[in-house]
Amino acid sequence: DSGVTQTPKHLITATGQRVTLRCSPRSGDLSVYWYQQSLDQGLQFLIQYYNGEERAKGNILERFSAQQFPDLHSELNLSSLELGDSALYFCASSAEGNTEAFFGQGTRLTVV
Amino acid sequence: DAKTTQPPSMDCAEGRAANLPCNHSTISGNEYVYWYRQIHSQGPQYIIHGLKNNETNEMASLIITEDRKSSTLILPHATLRDTAVYYCIARNTGTASKLTFGTGTRLQVTL
Repeated sequence: DSGVTQTPKHLITATGQRVTLRCSPRSGDLSVYWYQQSLDQGLQFLIQYYNGEERAKGNILERFSAQQFPDLHSELNLSSLELGDSALYFCASSAEGNTEAFFGQGTRLTVV
Repeated sequence: DAKTTQPPSMDCAEGRAANLPCNHSTISGNEYVYWYRQIHSQGPQYIIHGLKNNETNEMASLIITEDRKSSTLILPHATLRDTAVYYCIARNTGTASKLTFGTGTRLQVTL
């Protein structure tokens, strides 16, 4: 158990809909990262938050947004969903300094 | 982040050492070498990281060449549960820098 909790584990929704994925980082970790992994594809970095502020941005679509709340949990919002958005979405967290990042078990999103 | 190059796949017999190479010839002095693995579709699992010295923990050993242009992850006694995709990542030493994953090496451990 990495200590990073992601909910829900599975999500099935229709095209055009909007969903919210939730991530609770390890206790005390200030940084949260979001990654997307499509079927048989690599892990694509989406976005990073550090203590509530956006820190780095990857190839995140404009239909996607994220935020980190004062209690440090984070949410990834995906809107106007398309079939191609079906993927595993992982959240990771890390502490200050150059410490390892720990990953949650992911949310499997299926858009039908 | 420096680009890393890994062989796409490797096989290893159970009980033998698995040596996974990684080339990072453009790594800069402020980048660590990190190793993660992903078993099937689970979340990536941290293995080990280092800057220039060799490192060892309960999971593996990391050997970094003196010029830091390449490294090798060693799993001393591979088991079937070590079958996974292994990722070598060059990560900036700045506070909480992102991890950029490449395509990794698919390690198959066989009986």
